[in-house]
Amino acid sequence: QQQVKQSPQSLIVQKGGISIINCAYENTAFDYFPWYQQFPGKGPALLIAIRPDVSEKKEGRFTISFNKSAKQFSLHIMDSQPGDSATYFCAASKTGGYNKLIFGAGTRLAVHP
Amino acid sequence: GAGVSQSPSNKVTEKGKDVELRCDPISGHTALYWYRQSLGQGLEFLIYFQGNSAPDKSGLPSDRFSAERTGGSVSTLTIQRTQQEDSAVYLCASSLQDRVNQPQHFGDGTRLSIL
Repeated sequence: QQQVKQSPQSLIVQKGGISIINCAYENTAFDYFPWYQQFPGKGPALLIAIRPDVSEKKEGRFTISFNKSAKQFSLHIMDSQPGDSATYFCAASKTGGYNKLIFGAGTRLAVHP
Repeated sequence: GAGVSQSPSNKVTEKGKDVELRCDPISGHTALYWYRQSLGQGLEFLIYFQGNSAPDKSGLPSDRFSAERTGGSVSTLTIQRTQQEDSAVYLCASSLQDRVNQPQHFGDGTRLSIL
């Protein structure tokens, strides 16, 4: 059962453009939504995370938008750079237990110069 | 400081052999997680440790898979009688506590190939 659906599977953006990756979740008990960035041959690294009590969180060029009623959240990368080329994973977990992350399938982003 | 260390980084073995994968978490991190990443797929939860105990083993695919953690530190994931479908990258993560807002720090994984 896929509890977190991520799209698109792959994305090509020109340098300076905006990259947008979307995720949808099913379990309304989820209340922690991190995004991870993974470069080839490396483990995922936490990029940014959001709780459902806010609709948006921004850190530098990275912004998470959260829509609780639609059970959707998205990652926006502003002024995309070739160095942002990586695979991005959204994830979800719920408070009250330990931090068992349920991951989306990933989006492979390529930023062309 | 030192991050999560996994060894070996690559492992190639024949079908039917047993393999052991090792994870050294960040010092002081009480929570430890194992995930599996198949080619082109997301990360699949396998098992969670709090200290040396494993309260959640629900993600282990079969009884061929087992894991232990000793001294509240090093963890070993063992796969017995390996099958070709076991080929994947096995990732370990640790966090300071098992709270939701404690970020998980991942190692670079062990790439397991079953011939």
